[in-house]
Amino acid sequence: GAVVSQHPSRVICKSGTSVKIECRSLDFQATTMFWYRQFPKQSLMLMATSNEGSKATYEQGVEKDKFLINHASLTLSTLTVTSAHPEDSSFYICSARDWGTAFNEKVFFGSGTQLSVL
Amino acid sequence: SQQGEEDPQALSIQEGENATMNCSYKTSINNLQWYRQNSGRGLVHLILIRSNEREKHSGRLRVTLDTSKKSSSLLITASRAADTASYFCATDAASGTYKYIFGTGTRLKVLA
Repeated sequence: GAVVSQHPSRVICKSGTSVKIECRSLDFQATTMFWYRQFPKQSLMLMATSNEGSKATYEQGVEKDKFLINHASLTLSTLTVTSAHPEDSSFYICSARDWGTAFNEKVFFGSGTQLSVL
Repeated sequence: SQQGEEDPQALSIQEGENATMNCSYKTSINNLQWYRQNSGRGLVHLILIRSNEREKHSGRLRVTLDTSKKSSSLLITASRAADTASYFCATDAASGTYKYIFGTGTRLKVLA
């Protein structure tokens, strides 16, 4: 089945630094990818929709300049947390739709990235 | 909030018992999916049910969908300690946005 690879799985950084998280679709082309954020014991909150070759669409309340999304190819989207602060510590997870399947309903999730900002 | 609601928020049962979780959502949907998440890990896809379906089974899982009430339920029969996890529903809105919105989740604990 289709696989979405997310890297790194865990990152610890100092406050003020930037962190880049990669999301790759390994065996299908993903024109659309999604980025979610999850706080402990809470649900996944959609942050933004990443569109290949165009600007990302951010959900209400998500800072565009804080969470930079780049989707330069059909298999790779990156999320950069700029000038990270302790309150950005969270579990980030990406997903990608496989438009090649019927009903376009197949969506696959990466394994997530645990970000800890000291 | 755009999120769906799930209840109960937490559920604790004995091994062998059945567990039922409910999900309510707000908009018309194309489909609804259920996921499991073990603590601190990624999501595991359990089952997908389309808007024109009312019930689906997969092993010990049974999912129902009532689009008139905008609700779905997940039943896990003969639960095992390994079923301990958080369970989320996610809806694919029919509005054409192509994004999945997750419910608030149910934390299930199965006691051996």
